Amino acid sequence: GDSVTQMEGPVTLSEEAFLTINCTYTATGYPSLFWYVQYPGEGLQLLLKATKADDKGSNKGFEATYRKETTSFHLEKGSVQVSDSAVYFCALMFSGGYNKLIFGAGTRLAVHP
Amino acid sequence: DVKVTQSSRYLVKRTGEKVFLECVQDMDHENMFWYRQDPGLGLRLIYFSYDVKMKEKGDIPEGYSVSREKKERFSLILESASTNQTSMYLCASSDMGLAVYEQYFGPGTRLTVT
Repeated sequence: GDSVTQMEGPVTLSEEAFLTINCTYTATGYPSLFWYVQYPGEGLQLLLKATKADDKGSNKGFEATYRKETTSFHLEKGSVQVSDSAVYFCALMFSGGYNKLIFGAGTRLAVHP
Repeated sequence: DVKVTQSSRYLVKRTGEKVFLECVQDMDHENMFWYRQDPGLGLRLIYFSYDVKMKEKGDIPEGYSVSREKKERFSLILESASTNQTSMYLCASSDMGLAVYEQYFGPGTRLTVT
């Protein structure tokens, strides 16, 4: 079945370091891809999305490019801040009705000063 | 501002109790979802609803039921709580249609069953 695989955490970085969180997917069709972020004590919120191959989603300095050939959607940020400490979830969705999401396991990011 | 609210942030219940988790959205969304979140497993879909009184099983519906009597409210029911239902429960809502619509999440209810 359809699934999403993320790199295991936690990822621990110093402030201003470069961030990559890997995400690959398995799907029978051509899904839309999402990154959601969960800050401590809060629900999930959408960080960015891409709906077709080669699309780049970006928000708050984060970027991810939909790579159909490698079935990947890696999250990157050039310079992380302490406030980026959170759990990041990669997810896929097929359009056409119920907008169901399939999530990866999540990757915890800890950024220290 | 878009809002999904959940009735409790923290809940402690005893094994065998009937538990109700309530979720309300103010965006007039057709779709509503219940997930549970466990470390290392991400979010798993329990049930979803695409209209009032309509429901569909998700990936892990066993031990749960749902109710949607009004468009804005979606309830998750644990008929007889068990310790393996200790988890974080997240509610979400979205528009419905052919386009890809974002899901909006509530803050979650951390349920402990003792």
